[in-house]
Amino acid sequence: DGGITQSPKYLFRKEGQNVTLSCEQNLNHDAMYWYRQDPGQGLRLIYYSQIVNDFQKGDIAEGYSVSREKKESFPLTVTSAQKNPTAFYLCASSITGAEETQYFGPGTRLLVL
Amino acid sequence: QKEVEQDPGPLSVPEGAIVSLNCTYSNSAFQYFMWYRQYSRKGPELLMYTYSSGNKEDGRFTAQVDKSSKYISLFIRDSQPSDSATYLCAMTFSGGYQKVTFGTGTKLQVIP
Repeated sequence: DGGITQSPKYLFRKEGQNVTLSCEQNLNHDAMYWYRQDPGQGLRLIYYSQIVNDFQKGDIAEGYSVSREKKESFPLTVTSAQKNPTAFYLCASSITGAEETQYFGPGTRLLVL
Repeated sequence: QKEVEQDPGPLSVPEGAIVSLNCTYSNSAFQYFMWYRQYSRKGPELLMYTYSSGNKEDGRFTAQVDKSSKYISLFIRDSQPSDSATYLCAMTFSGGYQKVTFGTGTKLQVIP
């Protein structure tokens, strides 16, 4: 079955700690995305990558970092510089140039202790 | 003014009703219009997308775009309790990489 997996489902972050969210896809998509979802707000783009070893900042990249060393994987690190990290994080992928057909993973809920 | 406006609901309807979900937008350059369904604590699932104006039907779902009014709709016929979810509209431009703009979602409850 092709799809996108995200882990963990829930993640707790302590003050000053960096945490990494995993995203893996086996859809053979070149493009991958990270979004943040907060209550009452639309999905906001954090980072995106259209090809391996290349990624671009989205609208709210401050306090986050990513890497794209493999086509299948696009991990997101929430750094201690992100002062309000509590949110639902969603990873998505698509064929490059077909952003209208993004497929989403199940999400990771990040909570601050 | 937000680029995409969507009534948050909640919208409660009896089972079997026809549901109409809507979004308005301000940027006339949007060309692709998408609808996602999101169950509680899950990732969004792409239901359907349309290019430019017109209607598109898929089973019980019909997506409609009126570019002259900057208004899109999703109709659900014979609604079922399993349709209870939040519905997100989204839109983007054509050509090269284009960011997708999402609405905030409308929560729908179908009552048995």
